[in-house]
Amino acid sequence: GAVVSQHPSWVICKSGTSVKIECRSLDFQATTMFWYRQFPKQSLMLMATSNEGSKATYEQGVEKDKFLINHASLTLSTLTVTSAHPEDSSFYICSAGTGLAGERETQYFGPGTRLLVL
Amino acid sequence: KQEVTQIPAALSVPEGENLVLNCSFTDSAIYNLQWFRQDPGKGLTSLLLIQSSQREQTSGRLNASLDKSSGRSTLYIAASQPGDSATYLCAVIVNSGYALNFGKGTSLLVTP
Repeated sequence: GAVVSQHPSWVICKSGTSVKIECRSLDFQATTMFWYRQFPKQSLMLMATSNEGSKATYEQGVEKDKFLINHASLTLSTLTVTSAHPEDSSFYICSAGTGLAGERETQYFGPGTRLLVL
Repeated sequence: KQEVTQIPAALSVPEGENLVLNCSFTDSAIYNLQWFRQDPGKGLTSLLLIQSSQREQTSGRLNASLDKSSGRSTLYIAASQPGDSATYLCAVIVNSGYALNFGKGTSLLVTP
């Protein structure tokens, strides 16, 4: 149980295009989903936290107009990188929490999406 | 802001050795601490979770300890195997938040 999937696993796009990454909880309802970014040899950095049905909370330094997050259902959150540039190339990982929004429940991680912007 | 540091950044050991990975954090007011494993280009697998009131957790050949007052945790791997080769990440949740704060990880290579 507690499986989280991400799609796509790999994406290569041209600079200026938008890319959408999906994060799904397959066998549980996730009231809270987290989006992380990981650059090579760096730690995972939290980008934003999304609660189903409400606006995402972004970490300091993360542009909310560039990284659009939608958490429309209890099993799906999407991250859209708008007008992607080479510096957005990174490994994006989502996680899903099973408890009530705001509680420090266990997070289950997806397999990640590697984005390469040319 | 919580800072999580992991030492060493990389480690290479021959198969069969016991080893210790270190994690330190600057804010001792933590809710819990977790150790994860990450294989190249993959997501994270949770290994051990230690609540702030606990001192250690064990799972198979893995043992994690927590000294909250000194801001330290160690992950002990007994009788290492080539399949243990991966990056090990330490992460904490502070009392005032609910997001995981990760260290940069220790890249472990166990050679046959």
